[in-house]
This record gives sequence, C-alpha cells and structure tokens, in this order.
Amino acid sequence: AQTVTQSQPEMSVQEAETVTLSCTYDTSESDYYLFWYKQPPSRQMILVIRQEAYKQQNATENRFSVNFQKAAKSFSLKISDSQLGDAAMYFCAFWGTSGSRLTFGEGTQLTVNP
Amino acid sequence: GAVVSQHPSRVICKSGTSVKIECRSLDFQATTMFWYRQFPKKSLMLMATSNEGSKATYEQGVEKDKFLINHASLTLSTLTVTSAHPEDSSFYICSATVRGRANSPLHFGNGTRLTVT
Repeated sequence: AQTVTQSQPEMSVQEAETVTLSCTYDTSESDYYLFWYKQPPSRQMILVIRQEAYKQQNATENRFSVNFQKAAKSFSLKISDSQLGDAAMYFCAFWGTSGSRLTFGEGTQLTVNP
Repeated sequence: GAVVSQHPSRVICKSGTSVKIECRSLDFQATTMFWYRQFPKKSLMLMATSNEGSKATYEQGVEKDKFLINHASLTLSTLTVTSAHPEDSSFYICSATVRGRANSPLHFGNGTRLTVT
C-alpha cells in the first residue's frame, strides 16, 4: 500500500517570500502521479499542480513549482512570492495507476503573514 | 470544464433519520466516483469507490449498511447516511474521474457539512 507523509503540520511565510512544503511517499509502483491540492477555509479542493512520475522535468504553474526526486521519493512544493490568498491547508497526494485511488498526506496548514 | 456538483452543501438532521447526499458530474461522464470523509483539520479519508452500475467498494472499517452508495448513472452517485447519529457529523466530499481519460486528476465537489443533532 502507498503512504504519503507530510512532516510539517504547520508552516508560515511572510507575504512575498518563498516557502517550501515537504512531502515524501512510499510505493513499489513505477508509474504514478503526484499532486498538490489546496484546501482554503471554504473546504473546496483545488488542484495546484501535478507531476507524472515518468517525467524528469519538474512541473511548474506560475508561482508554484515542485522538486520531484523520484529516487528519494520526495515531492516538495515551492510557493514563490507568497500571497495572502495562498493561506490554506495543502495536501500532497499520490495516484498509482494500478491502485486507482488517491492517497493523501496529513496536510500542511500554511499561514501567510502580511 | 469537468465540474462536479455536490448537494446539499450543508444539512442538519435529527438523530435516527437518514440523509442523502448527491454528487453529479455536470459536463462529463464519470467512470468512477469516490466518497471521502474529513474531520476538522484532518486529511481526507476514503470511504468508498463506486463505478456506474456496480456495487461500491468500501474501505476497511466503513460500514456499508450505514453509508449506502448508489451509482445509478455515469453522472450521478449518491451517499445515504442511514440512521444518522451525532458521531456521523462530518464533512463529506465526493470526487470523480473523467471517463476515457485514465490519467485525468480527480475533480472534487464542494463538500457537504453534515450535522446530526
């Protein structure tokens, strides 16, 4: 079974600064997808960024980028130029092509200080 | 595109009654729908997976007779909490995968906050 670990229950960052959220996972599969989801106080799940395991290039979406280290099974999220609207719970998630389910980490609560 | 509508967004019911939550894919056909439960400041816990026209697959520890899931069509799945009790109070979220796109990410509904008094 896959496991996803987010070791930072809470993080804070100053507005306009950069913050990195950590995520590690464990799997025996070679083909899978990794995601970061944002959940603001409204509780809506918002896809932030996605990475296919077969791609060596790290995914980027505007101010959001990942550092995907497949051998180390690490998938961290970097938020640049942090904005107040980035404050939310962030979940790292794993989707294995054989298991057909999304496994979530425990989440990291991000606070952005003005 | 790929919008999932979940209804109701909030519901309050009395202990012993049943509550139905609907999850609809508005602009796509959903191969599979997933139901999650989330406690405050906690992660999403998968309750069950449903495919159109077949019985749902429940996760270990989830009572299938308490949480009835019906996936009657490619665009609609329902979760019925039967004989609800205060401990069933929680946030329930559905999600769906797009039919024909095996690599598509999950699309989530906006969730239902259930309060059982």
